[in-house]
Amino acid sequence: LAKTTQPISMDSYEGQEVNITCSHNNIATNDYITWYQQFPSQGPRFIIQGYKTKVTNEVASLFIPADRKSSTLSLPRVSLSDTAVYYCLVGPYGGSQGNLIFGKGTKLSVKP
Amino acid sequence: NAGVTQTPKFRVLKTGQSMTLLCAQDMNHEYMYWYRQDPGMGLRLIHYSVGEGTTAKGEVPDGYNVSRLKKQNFLLGLESAAPSQTSVYFCASSPSGTRKSYEQYFGPGTRLTVT
Repeated sequence: LAKTTQPISMDSYEGQEVNITCSHNNIATNDYITWYQQFPSQGPRFIIQGYKTKVTNEVASLFIPADRKSSTLSLPRVSLSDTAVYYCLVGPYGGSQGNLIFGKGTKLSVKP
Repeated sequence: NAGVTQTPKFRVLKTGQSMTLLCAQDMNHEYMYWYRQDPGMGLRLIHYSVGEGTTAKGEVPDGYNVSRLKKQNFLLGLESAAPSQTSVYFCASSPSGTRKSYEQYFGPGTRLTVT
């Protein structure tokens, strides 16, 4: 089971691009990388998922280098409403659902 | 669609009491999960189910039981509540299929306090 490491917290200002990096040195060949966002007093919300290279959707981009030992969630031009905790998860393709571990995440604070 | 709903939203129990938390989803998802989240911590998986009539243990299953008698419902039971079970409980569901199964949809949570 691949363990992930993320910064505990990050600060940013409105309008800036924010990059949150997750380290997963022991990622397996069949693992996918998934990111979630959680606002206070709410359940987490799926943001994006990828296997390699780059994935982009209407919310964020996910960059995964060739060795897949890390990944970077990129949030373009953040606003105050992007203040939340962001979780990086690495899970096995075809594996047991019990292996999905959220960890403590990265608390992003966006300031005006 | 209501998505994932949880009942109740808040509850206070005394040590030793029992209760059941109800989770319902209307997205026809195969997989359902129960997590707990303690202050400043990430979510920890208690139990999960990959289909009607099946359940499995997660990371922290002790003190909890679950049942999935209907596809749309997943129940979490505390037989004898302890103060250590004070937490916020989240239910989630996801489609089947190995990749899509990581796209989980979460309910609003149940805040449980055991005194």
